[in-house]
Amino acid sequence: AQSVTQPDIHITVSEGASLELRCNYSYGATPYLFWYVQSPGQGLQLLLKYFSGDTLVQGIKGFEAEFKRSQSSFNLRKPSVHWSDAAEYFCAVGESTGGFKTIFGAGTRLFVKA
Amino acid sequence: DGGITQSPKYLFRKEGQNVTLSCEQNLNHDAMYWYRQDPGQGLRLIYYSQIVNDFQKGDIAEGYSVSREKKESFPLTVTSAQKNPTAFYLCASNGGLRKPQHFGDGTRLSIL
Repeated sequence: AQSVTQPDIHITVSEGASLELRCNYSYGATPYLFWYVQSPGQGLQLLLKYFSGDTLVQGIKGFEAEFKRSQSSFNLRKPSVHWSDAAEYFCAVGESTGGFKTIFGAGTRLFVKA
Repeated sequence: DGGITQSPKYLFRKEGQNVTLSCEQNLNHDAMYWYRQDPGQGLRLIYYSQIVNDFQKGDIAEGYSVSREKKESFPLTVTSAQKNPTAFYLCASNGGLRKPQHFGDGTRLSIL
């Protein structure tokens, strides 16, 4: 079965510092990969997605992610974090068995310190 | 603007009571989903529907029921059989195989 692992439950970074959130997936074929962000008490918003092609994907709010098939990873990065980036981040993989579904990781909560 | 509307935002349930969470979308999406979110557990799939009048159980369907009589609507009923219903419930829709999911703003259900 497909799965998504986000090894870090929470991460704290200083404002202005760089950020990398880790994501590993388990999927037999070429995966459909997503990163979502969730602010407290709200739904999820799509940051970026990867289906095929260029392995470095640009998203909204200055985020990017790199697909590495050899490592089964899809890590999210941002060169300079802003206080407003504090939120929970979810990596997800789409699967098409029995209808199209999305499998979510457990999430990484990002704290930003001044 | 197109989107997903969940109501109510907060809901309280008494012991032995069924409650229904509303989810409406105007995105013309065929597929709709219900997730439960608990702290530290990410999103767990309750039910999903790929087309009107059809739906499938997800990973944690016990104690829940759904209907899909209209393309725009996918209500979730939390029955009295669900012994631990306190959670944040998210509804989502999807426009196709290579499309991301769109989410509502959620309903927080608590027990009185």
